[in-house]
Amino acid sequence: AQTVTQSQPEMSVQEAETVTLSCTYDTSENNYYLFWYKQPPSRQMILVIRQEAYKQQNATENRFSVNFQKAAKSFSLKISDSQLGDTAMYFCAIYLYNFNKFYFGSGTKLNVKP
Amino acid sequence: GAVVSQHPSRVICKSGTSVKIECRSLDFQATTMFWYRQFPKKSLMLMATSNEGSKATYEQGVEKDKFLINHASLTLSTLTVTSAHPEDSSFYICSAQLTRTYNEQFFGPGTRLTVL
Repeated sequence: AQTVTQSQPEMSVQEAETVTLSCTYDTSENNYYLFWYKQPPSRQMILVIRQEAYKQQNATENRFSVNFQKAAKSFSLKISDSQLGDTAMYFCAIYLYNFNKFYFGSGTKLNVKP
Repeated sequence: GAVVSQHPSRVICKSGTSVKIECRSLDFQATTMFWYRQFPKKSLMLMATSNEGSKATYEQGVEKDKFLINHASLTLSTLTVTSAHPEDSSFYICSAQLTRTYNEQFFGPGTRLTVL
């Protein structure tokens, strides 16, 4: 069975500071991809960052970067220079290629304070 | 970027009626579309996967006779909630996938269903 665990239900960070959201996963599959999605109050899901499991190099997208530790099955998201617009629910997800399915974690609610 | 629309964005219906939700990929052809259900302050639960021209694959515990999914074309999938009951009230989200190789999914804005 595939599981995605986000152990931080809610986090807060001051504007302009850095915050790290945790995610661990478990799968016996070898062909998978990892994602972080943002869901703001509008509830539109937005892709934040994507990591191919076969790549050792951590993905980065502007202020967003991941720390992918494959052996530990850990995939954390670092947000630098936090902005008020980063306030949202953040979901970690795994895509299993052989099953063509996505599985989501329970989410972390991030509050960026002015 | 790839855009996915959902219609309606919000629907209120009486118990026992059926409701149809449309999911369209506006600027690309989607080989696969996914339907999710999201309870308040909860994660997304995959309900089913649909491929154009074939029957949808439902997740365990999802009633296929209650949640009818039709994927009529590469740009349109519909979810029909049949004989809706208050417990079916939820936020339903669809997503569309370009190809399995480029496996990013693009999400619709969601549909809020309230069954009275």
